[in-house]
Amino acid sequence: EPEVTQTPSHQVTQMGQEVILRCVPISNHLYFYWYRQILGQKVEFLVSFYNNEISEKSEIFDDQFSVERPDGSNFTLKIRSTKLEDSAMYFCASKRGNYGYTFGSGTRLTVV
Amino acid sequence: GQQVMQIPQYQHVQEGEDFTTYCNSSTTLSNIQWYKQRPGGHPVFLIQLVKSGEVKKQKRLTFQFGEAKKNSSLHITATQTTDVGTYFCAGHTEYGNKLVFGAGTILRVKS
Repeated sequence: EPEVTQTPSHQVTQMGQEVILRCVPISNHLYFYWYRQILGQKVEFLVSFYNNEISEKSEIFDDQFSVERPDGSNFTLKIRSTKLEDSAMYFCASKRGNYGYTFGSGTRLTVV
Repeated sequence: GQQVMQIPQYQHVQEGEDFTTYCNSSTTLSNIQWYKQRPGGHPVFLIQLVKSGEVKKQKRLTFQFGEAKKNSSLHITATQTTDVGTYFCAGHTEYGNKLVFGAGTILRVKS
């Protein structure tokens, strides 16, 4: 069964450093998303991406965040200057049409 | 903004007992989806409901979408230890492009 692949599985970074989280969505999917989940809490929407542009973003997705689809397969989330409160599990998801999302296994980001 | 509430937060049942989680949205939804997240895992899509009053079954799981398309429920009959995890509902509004998740219900099953 096709999978959404995320790397790395765990990233530890110093506060103020930039991080890039990588995702390879399912190849024939058209819609891409980033979500985050602080430990033990709900899954929070960050951003949706379609047709090579952001289609919607949440209040969490401020100027410190950006997304890119640099080639035909990768979908990245960059946090420019990490804060302690950015520590969370970040999930990438993709879907083809009006159906369920396929989530990746996530990247656990720890900011120290 | 759109909010999706889910109750209970936590339920601990004896194996073989039934389990139900309820979901309520502050706004009318175009569809509702249900996901299961095993401990340490990622959300896995279970089902999508689109029509008002829709009921769908997957083996021991029954999903309902309310007539007003603002609430939903997931009922598990005769729980098993493999049902352990967090069950999330998530909804799209009519014009939104984001899927908003409820807080989830954590299910623990005692054998």
